[in-house]
Amino acid sequence: DQQVKQNSPSLSVQEGRISILNCDYTNSMFDYFLWYKKYPAEGPTFLISISSIKDKNEDGRFTVFLNKSAKHLSLHIVPSQPGDSAVYFCAASVRDSNYQLIWGAGTKLIIKP
Amino acid sequence: NAGVTQTPKFRILKIGQSMTLQCAQDMNHNYMYWYRQDPGMGLKLIYYSVGAGITDKGEVPNGYNVSRSTTEDFPLRLELAAPSQTSVYFCASTPRLSSYEQYFGPGTRLTVT
Repeated sequence: DQQVKQNSPSLSVQEGRISILNCDYTNSMFDYFLWYKKYPAEGPTFLISISSIKDKNEDGRFTVFLNKSAKHLSLHIVPSQPGDSAVYFCAASVRDSNYQLIWGAGTKLIIKP
Repeated sequence: NAGVTQTPKFRILKIGQSMTLQCAQDMNHNYMYWYRQDPGMGLKLIYYSVGAGITDKGEVPNGYNVSRSTTEDFPLRLELAAPSQTSVYFCASTPRLSSYEQYFGPGTRLTVT
């Protein structure tokens, strides 16, 4: 039973345009959501997060939107740059779970020059 | 500051062999985690530790053991390796009680044949 789903295995976007990565979840007890970025042969690195009490969080070119009623979050990258080509993981945590994270399967983002 | 380090980077095991994957962090983080990532899948939590001497099972603990004798080190032991344990293993740590952000090592790619 996948509690965190990223339904697009890959996404191709032109450099300079907006990249939108999507994530759906089923567990209404999740209270914190994170996006990680992963390059080949490296560990994931933290990108941006959002608490369940907010609906938007912005950090430079990266914005995460949370729609609790739809159990959906998205990551917007604008403008997209070649260095953004990576696998992006959505992860979620339940309060009082010792910060255990439940991960989606990832979306491979390819930025075309 | 080396962050989170993992050794070895690659390893091939025969069925039934045992090995220890090493993980160390120099950031004085209390929380440490072991994950495995299978192809096309998200990360799955194997074991975690909330401090020296305290460990607990995650989602997929069968076939593995851990110990945490110091804050810095969190080794993962595989006993009687099986082909199903072929995976990439990541170690992570998190700095403080209120942080969900996890810092990852570069991973160990393990093949069991």
